Amino acid sequence: ETGVTQSPTHLIKTRGQQVTLRCSSQSGHNTVSWYQQALGQGPEFLTYFQNEAQLEKSRLLSDRFSAERPKGSFSTLEIQRTEQGDSAMYLCASSLGGPSYNEQFFGPGTRLTVL
Amino acid sequence: GDSVTQMEGPVTLSEEAFLTINCTYTATGYPSLFWYVQYPGEGLQLLLKATKADDKGSNKGFEATYRKETTSFHLEKGSVQVSDSAVYFCALRGSGRGSTLGRLYFGRGTQLTVWP
Repeated sequence: ETGVTQSPTHLIKTRGQQVTLRCSSQSGHNTVSWYQQALGQGPEFLTYFQNEAQLEKSRLLSDRFSAERPKGSFSTLEIQRTEQGDSAMYLCASSLGGPSYNEQFFGPGTRLTVL
Repeated sequence: GDSVTQMEGPVTLSEEAFLTINCTYTATGYPSLFWYVQYPGEGLQLLLKATKADDKGSNKGFEATYRKETTSFHLEKGSVQVSDSAVYFCALRGSGRGSTLGRLYFGRGTQLTVWP
């Protein structure tokens, strides 16, 4: 069974550039959540998908951020016009959705540095 | 809104010492509570969980009891090992209106270092 994978592992961008982060959920899982983790802080929720539907977006998710989860197991988080404040670890988590909570399995993260 | 307040670190202990990491929460209704651990160079892993008041979650010698009267979920271990060195995160999933299954609220994390 393959766990949650994320790519790339590290990314260095210049302010103003666009970035796309990718997440592949664990086999059989139908939900994906994205989190942003600044250095020395806990993860902050960004958005949540069940199947292809984006069910919740945090106020942290500014209009420069967009996410999608087309059919299949992968999801993408795109950041337009990156700013230095976007520098953080971006975490993806997947779970088997349903009426009761199922454990979220986290990927290793993508560390984004914006210069 | 829902939130978690976690004891600030870092925490440094000798092997076999007793560990407590404090966690308190603010939430409406009856949240589910979790402890996640992040070992160096690895992703977040669920350590233990409790879904209702007075539940005790336990795993790998760690325990935490869901105390609704004190809104707390403190993590304890009777005898820590060097291999327990990691960052520990307390988290909650809300049950109030608007909560979704996919949204966890995390504390800031507590760095634990255990010396031999």
